[in-house]
Amino acid sequence: GIQVEQSPPDLILQEGANSTLRCNFSDSVNNLQWFHQNPWGQLINLFYIPSGTKQNGRLSATTVATERYSLLYISSSQTTDSGVYFCAVQGDMRFGAGTRLTVKP
Amino acid sequence: DSGVTQTPKHLITATGQRVTLRCSPRSGDLSVYWYQQSLDQGLQFLIQYYNGEERAKGNILERFSAQQFPDLHSELNLSSLELGDSALYFCASSLSGPPLHFGNGTRLTVT
Repeated sequence: GIQVEQSPPDLILQEGANSTLRCNFSDSVNNLQWFHQNPWGQLINLFYIPSGTKQNGRLSATTVATERYSLLYISSSQTTDSGVYFCAVQGDMRFGAGTRLTVKP
Repeated sequence: DSGVTQTPKHLITATGQRVTLRCSPRSGDLSVYWYQQSLDQGLQFLIQYYNGEERAKGNILERFSAQQFPDLHSELNLSSLELGDSALYFCASSLSGPPLHFGNGTRLTVT
């Protein structure tokens, strides 16, 4: 099956910093979602982005399907951005291992 | 609020027992997905139902079963529970395929 790799596995930032999270996948996909799992365990849908670029406030995402990767950008990070960020691909949404983000005040 | 409701929020039970987790999808959604999140395995897809029929199967153990009812709610049954079944179980729903919308999960602890 398709392999999903996320990097970096862990990221520690100071409040206000910017970051880029990466999701690589081993085969072509026609579905891709980014999620944020907050410290309470809730999975929040950030973007459905099988291709192209989307923006929502301080977050944006880009998927280059032909090159088999997606990027999640977080600008001016806040402590509430802390948690684990997952990408998931394909119809049944296979998840990567996630990037654990810690934003320090 | 995603609109997906999972009950109960927490469940503590003993090894060998059987439990049922319940999921009500968002209004209008026909697909329900079940996932297991454990510390060592990450988020694993278990099974998907679409309008009452099984559509896709992932890493679901034979001790586990699921179904989707005519009113579109779904139940995940876990039997002969083992310590390793302790995990957060998520339900997600969608109209048909992605994007998925997740419930808040049921945290199962097997003692």
